[in-house]
Order: sequence, then C-alpha cells, then structure tokens
Amino acid sequence: QQQVKQSPQSLIVQKGGISIINCAYENTAFDYFPWYQQFPGKGPALLIAIRPDVSEKKEGRFTISFNKSAKQFSLHIMDSQPGDSATYFCAAMKAAGNKLTFGGGTRVLVKP
Amino acid sequence: KAGVTQTPRYLIKTRGQQVTLSCSPISGHRSVSWYQQTPGQGLQFLFEYFSETQRNKGNFPGRFSGRQFSNSRSEMNVSTLELGDSALYLCASSSPSYEQYFGPGTRLTVT
Repeated sequence: QQQVKQSPQSLIVQKGGISIINCAYENTAFDYFPWYQQFPGKGPALLIAIRPDVSEKKEGRFTISFNKSAKQFSLHIMDSQPGDSATYFCAAMKAAGNKLTFGGGTRVLVKP
Repeated sequence: KAGVTQTPRYLIKTRGQQVTLSCSPISGHRSVSWYQQTPGQGLQFLFEYFSETQRNKGNFPGRFSGRQFSNSRSEMNVSTLELGDSALYLCASSSPSYEQYFGPGTRLTVT
C-alpha cells in the first residue's frame, strides 16, 4: 500500500523558474511532513518540514504548502538554480514514531 | 556538530554471506532509524532504535536485524544475503523534535 504518492516523477525547469512537486497521503494519523533533497551518491538531506497546524512554511527559496482537508502537500522551489538539480522526496510520519514513509521521488533538472 | 557517519561506505558480498553495517548518530541523538533505498522500491523503513530498544519495525524478513548500543551507535545485520538485498542502506539520526538526519549510506552489492 503506497501511503504517500508523489508527482511528477521528473521535472525540467529553466533557471529562474518555479519547480512544483506534489504529494498526497492517505493516513490521517501522519502529523509531520518533511521534504528531502538527494544528490547522486549522497544521503537525503532535510530541506524543510511542516506540521498540519500551519498551511504554509517558507525557508529561503523553498516553500511547503499544506492542505489538511485534501491530504495534500507540495514543495515550491522559487528562482530554481542549476545547483537545485537533484531528486526530491516528500515524506510523512507520525511524529512520535520516527518511521518515515516516503513518496517515490521527483528528479528535477534545472537548465541554465 | 558532526553529522551521521556510516561505515563501510561500499561493500561487495556474495549470496549466502552475512553483512554488518555500522552507524554513529549525531551527538546527543538517541534514536536511530535504518532505511533501504533501491531504484525499484524507493526508500523503505527497516527499523528504529531508541535507548537500545527496537521501537518500530518495517516489513522486512527476519534476515534483517539490528541493535543499538549504550552510546547510541547502531548496527544492522543482514544474514543469508540475496541478490535483491543490493541497495543503499541509510541510517538516520533523530532529533528530539523528530527531524531525521541521514548519513551518506552504505552501498551494498550482492553478487
């Protein structure tokens, strides 16, 4: 059972553009939603995370939007740069459980 | 603070052998989780340890096991290796506010 669905699988964006990645979850017990960035040969790096008591969180060029009623959340990367080219994973977790359920990943390519 | 360290970084084993991977969490973090990453199945949770006790376990066969020591360092063991166990094994260290920080992983190849 795929509890977190992520789309699109891949994304090409021009430098300076906006990258948007969407995730949907099924388990209403989830209460912590992080995003990770992974470069080839590296482990995932925590980018930004949100809890369901807020609808939006922004850190630098990265913004999470959260829609609790729709059970969806998304990552927006503003002013995308070639250095942002990586695979991005959304995840969800019951905060006390420390068990992350990951989406399938989105490979983002930012063209100069 | 130093990040999560994992050893070894690369490993090649033969079917039927066993392997032990090691993880040292961020200083002060008491929870360690393990994940398997493959191109086909993505990132999947293996198990989580807190204060030397396994608190959560994913849907993996009993060949996959782990333990945690009193200094929070953790090891995972895979016995009777199969070709399908070839993967990147990731360890994550959890902060008290539930943020998980990943190590660089151990790339296991089973031939």
